[in-house]
Amino acid sequence: AQTVTQSQPEMSVQEAETVTLSCTYDTSENNYYLFWYKQPPSRQMILVIRQEAYKQQNATENRFSVNFQKAAKSFSLKISDSQLGDTAMYFCAFMDAGNMLTFGGGTRLMVKP
Amino acid sequence: DTGVSQNPRHKITKRGQNVTFRCDPISEHNRLYWYRQTLGQGPEFLTYFQNEAQLEKSRLLSDRFSAERPKGSFSTLEIQRTEQGDSAMYLCASSPFGGDSNEKLFFGSGTQLSVL
Repeated sequence: AQTVTQSQPEMSVQEAETVTLSCTYDTSENNYYLFWYKQPPSRQMILVIRQEAYKQQNATENRFSVNFQKAAKSFSLKISDSQLGDTAMYFCAFMDAGNMLTFGGGTRLMVKP
Repeated sequence: DTGVSQNPRHKITKRGQNVTFRCDPISEHNRLYWYRQTLGQGPEFLTYFQNEAQLEKSRLLSDRFSAERPKGSFSTLEIQRTEQGDSAMYLCASSPFGGDSNEKLFFGSGTQLSVL
């Protein structure tokens, strides 16, 4: 079974600064996908960014980028130029070949003005 | 297309009662997933359908839980004889099948269940 671990229960960052959220996972599979989801107070899960394990290039979506270290089974999310609207719970998630999505425990991010 | 729709948004029930939730996925999405999320935790997988076929069920899905997707479109999740431990947010998600998009799950806003 796959496990996803987010070791930072809470983080805070000043508006316009950069913050990095950590995620590690455990799997014996070689082909898989990794995701970061955002869950604001409305509790709607919103896909932030996706990474295919077979791609060496780190995924980027505007202010969001990842540092994918396959050998270390690490998948961190970097948020640049943080905005107040980035305040939310962030979940790292792993999808195996069977399309089963496993989530980490989440990191609560607070962006301070 | 308005995204994944879930009804009701909130449900309060007494212990021992049965409840049913509905999920309408994004049109043309073949896959439909149910997750459960308790406060402060990540969502936990319950079950998943491809079209009308239920392909996977978690050990979390006790015999009091049943899910259906009779015509491969909307799905229902029923909980019989509810217990206080069933109190949680029940999330539905859908994804298309095929291409490189089938790995993206789109979530609904969830149904918050409170069992008194």
